[in-house]
Amino acid sequence: QSALTQPASVSGSPGQSITISCTGTSSDVGSTNLVSWYQQLPGRAPTLMIYEVNKRPSGVSNRFSGSKSGNTASLRISGLQAEDEADYYCSSYAVSSTLVFGGGTKLAVL
Amino acid sequence: EVQLVESGGGVVRPGGSLRLSCTASGFKFDEYGMNWVRQVPGKGLEWVSGINWDALNTHSTDSVKGRFTISRDNAKNSLYLQMNNLRVEDTALYYCARAQGGIAATGTDHWGQGTLVTVSS
Repeated sequence: QSALTQPASVSGSPGQSITISCTGTSSDVGSTNLVSWYQQLPGRAPTLMIYEVNKRPSGVSNRFSGSKSGNTASLRISGLQAEDEADYYCSSYAVSSTLVFGGGTKLAVL
Repeated sequence: EVQLVESGGGVVRPGGSLRLSCTASGFKFDEYGMNWVRQVPGKGLEWVSGINWDALNTHSTDSVKGRFTISRDNAKNSLYLQMNNLRVEDTALYYCARAQGGIAATGTDHWGQGTLVTVSS
């Protein structure tokens, strides 16, 4: 039950695009499409941004997109805005019927 | 509107017990798996336990097995986490989170605001 690996921080300028990676193993990310991404603003509970690798819940901007290749999932944010500055977490279903989260990535919009 | 409201947190000494509750509204509770996720302030998210829609299957992270028990009462739209033999390292904000489907480990889609558990002597 090891946490998925995310970069500790990423940054970008307004209008640019960034990608956050989430690396797991063949026991989690590599064996499922049940990969999600969450945004957590300071002092707030997480909110779902992407589910099932690349699906967006109603109300989430199409600037957010997800993908997966092998054991690594990715979240791409295009047209960065100041309001995107937050912590981002990935999660994955694991073959032991458990849920595993990534360590989190702090996004700075410079 | 989906709402999840946690309660039951507090300060407890090591070795003590607490029971967290989560009251759900705005959706058919008995159709969804439910999870407890915790977060040490300033740190990342950690999945604690999950229970499927029918309460027949539960799973927990290794560090709480044998100490924490997740349960639900579909008639009361409520989720619970019985925490025994608490350790200092269990100190965290505990979130109740709805699963994306009937199986708890599919991921979460709605979260409560959390209840703080502090284990300290």
